[in-house]
Amino acid sequence: QSALTQPASVSGSPGQSITISCTGTSSDVGSYNLVSWYQQHPGKAPKLMIYEVSKRPSGVSNRFSGSKSGNTASLTISGLQAEDEADYYCCSYAGNNIVVFGGGTKLTVL
Amino acid sequence: EVQLLESGGGLVQPGGSLRLSCAASGFTFASYAMSWVRQAPGKGLEWVSAISGSGGIPYYADSLKGRFTISRDNSKNTVYLQMNSLRAEDTAVYYCAKYGPAAISYYFDYWGQGTLVTVSS
Repeated sequence: QSALTQPASVSGSPGQSITISCTGTSSDVGSYNLVSWYQQHPGKAPKLMIYEVSKRPSGVSNRFSGSKSGNTASLTISGLQAEDEADYYCCSYAGNNIVVFGGGTKLTVL
Repeated sequence: EVQLLESGGGLVQPGGSLRLSCAASGFTFASYAMSWVRQAPGKGLEWVSAISGSGGIPYYADSLKGRFTISRDNSKNTVYLQMNSLRAEDTAVYYCAKYGPAAISYYFDYWGQGTLVTVSS
């Protein structure tokens, strides 16, 4: 159960788009369309932003989108806003009813 | 409105035990698998354990097997995490999280605010 690999940090200016990658293996990300993404502001609980690779829960802005290619999933945030500054975590099903998280990416809005 | 309220965290000595509780409301509790996810200070999220809606099937991260036990009481809408032989590296905020509604669902649509467990002498 190794953690998925995410960049430690990404940054962008307001209005720009950024993409956060999440690399796993053929045993997790590559095998299942069961990747989810979470946003976490400092001192707060995580919030579901994307599930099953590209689905958005009700209430989540359509500026957030997800995709997957092979063993790598991606979260794209378009039209960056100051409130998007947070930590983002990917998560994937890894078989046997186990899930694994990525190490997290700190998004800075410049 | 879905609410998850964790309790039971605190300071415990290495080798000690602690039981966390998560009281749920706002949904049909017995119909959903539940999970515990932890976050060490300044670190990322780590999946700890999960339990099916009926309570019959628990799952654990490999690194924790044998020390932690998850259970639930559907009559009380509560899920528990019994933690034994605690180590300094178990120090973390422990979140209770609800699995999504689909029959095959491996994402967490609601989270509690977390309870801090500190293992220190």
